[in-house]
Amino acid sequence: DGGITQSPKYLFRKEGQNVTLSCEQNLNHDAMYWYRQDPGQGLRLIYYSQIVNDFQKGDIAEGYSVSREKKESFPLTVTSAQKNPTAFYLCASRSGQGAAGTEAFFGQGTRLTVV
Amino acid sequence: SQQGEEDPQALSIQEGENATMNCSYKTSINNLQWYRQNSGRGLVHLILIRSNEREKHSGRLRVTLDTSKKSSSLLITASRAADTASYFCATDHGNNRLAFGKGNQVVVIP
Repeated sequence: DGGITQSPKYLFRKEGQNVTLSCEQNLNHDAMYWYRQDPGQGLRLIYYSQIVNDFQKGDIAEGYSVSREKKESFPLTVTSAQKNPTAFYLCASRSGQGAAGTEAFFGQGTRLTVV
Repeated sequence: SQQGEEDPQALSIQEGENATMNCSYKTSINNLQWYRQNSGRGLVHLILIRSNEREKHSGRLRVTLDTSKKSSSLLITASRAADTASYFCATDHGNNRLAFGKGNQVVVIP
């Protein structure tokens, strides 16, 4: 089945630890995105990538890092520099660029909690 | 950053009634999209309307776009309990970013 898979579904992090959230898609999409969702604040863009080996910062990139070594994969690392990482993280992908514009497909999310 | 802003942010209606949500944005767009999110899940795409379109339908959904007012509306007709969810608009400005608003929580009472 084609789709976008995030893992794990739930993740617990101790203070000072780095953790990596996985996002894999088999839709052959060029663009991939990471969003953070907090209650009442909607979705905020962390990083996005339009093509392999290239990515751009979104609106709240501080304390996060990404890589895009393969078209199918766009992992997000939440570093110890992110002071308030508890949130719901959503990964998305879509094809097409610029004026073409297409719909985004979302994973089921990873809920990260700092303990 | 550019993003859609929806209003109202919470809506409670009786089953069978219509639900209307609005979204405004600040700068020109290539297209505007509406998504639905059930609690604790990912978003699901509902409908995309391009900047040169004024109205679009999909089943019980009707979306309008007024580029002169930089606003869009989503109408859900004959609502069902299963329509209970959060609804988000997202603006595509052609730079491959997709910016989301804060969302509308809709509760349909059976």
